[in-house]
Amino acid sequence: AQSVAQPEDQVNVAEGNPLTVKCTYSVSGNPYLFWYVQYPNRGLQFLLKYITGDNLVKGSYGFEAEFNKSQTSFHLKKPSALVSDSALYFCAVRAGAEGGYQKVTFGTGTKLQVIP
Amino acid sequence: GAGVSQSPRYKVAKRGQDVALRCDPISGHVSLFWYQQALGQGPEFLTYFQNEAQLDKSGLPSDRFFAERPEGSVSTLKIQRTQQEDSAVYLCASSSGILGGNTEAFFGQGTRLTVV
Repeated sequence: AQSVAQPEDQVNVAEGNPLTVKCTYSVSGNPYLFWYVQYPNRGLQFLLKYITGDNLVKGSYGFEAEFNKSQTSFHLKKPSALVSDSALYFCAVRAGAEGGYQKVTFGTGTKLQVIP
Repeated sequence: GAGVSQSPRYKVAKRGQDVALRCDPISGHVSLFWYQQALGQGPEFLTYFQNEAQLDKSGLPSDRFFAERPEGSVSTLKIQRTQQEDSAVYLCASSSGILGGNTEAFFGQGTRLTVV
């Protein structure tokens, strides 16, 4: 069965510093990987995805993520954190099997707190 | 509308009551998903529709949960004889990809169900 692990419940970072939110996954075959952000009382918003190609993926609001197949990781990064980045971040994975339906599995989320 | 719309935003139900949660996906989106998000947890998959066909209902926790999308657009999640453990936020998402594809999902704001 596929799974996603977000080992940190919360990450604190000072404004202006680089941030990393960790994600590791387990899936059969090649993965499709996603990051979503959830602000209070709002639905999840898509940030970025890895399907194939370049291991470094750039997304919305200056976020990027690096796919590392050997470490089965897809960590979310940003060079300079903003207070407005404070939110709940979810990593998600599905098996990238061609031609078949595959369910998307979400991690438990990491709360990012950017300190002014 | 421009996004996924869910109604009601909040629902308080007495234990044993039936409830119906509505989702209006983005127009033209083939795929529709329902997720259950408990407090402090990530979204847990409930069911998936491709147009009007319910292709995956493996995540529905019991036969008290029922979902439909009769015309391939609006979907309703029905919970019969609600129990306290049903209290959660129910998220609806839609995407243009088929079979759960490699496209990102767009989420509604969710319906917060509280069973008392």
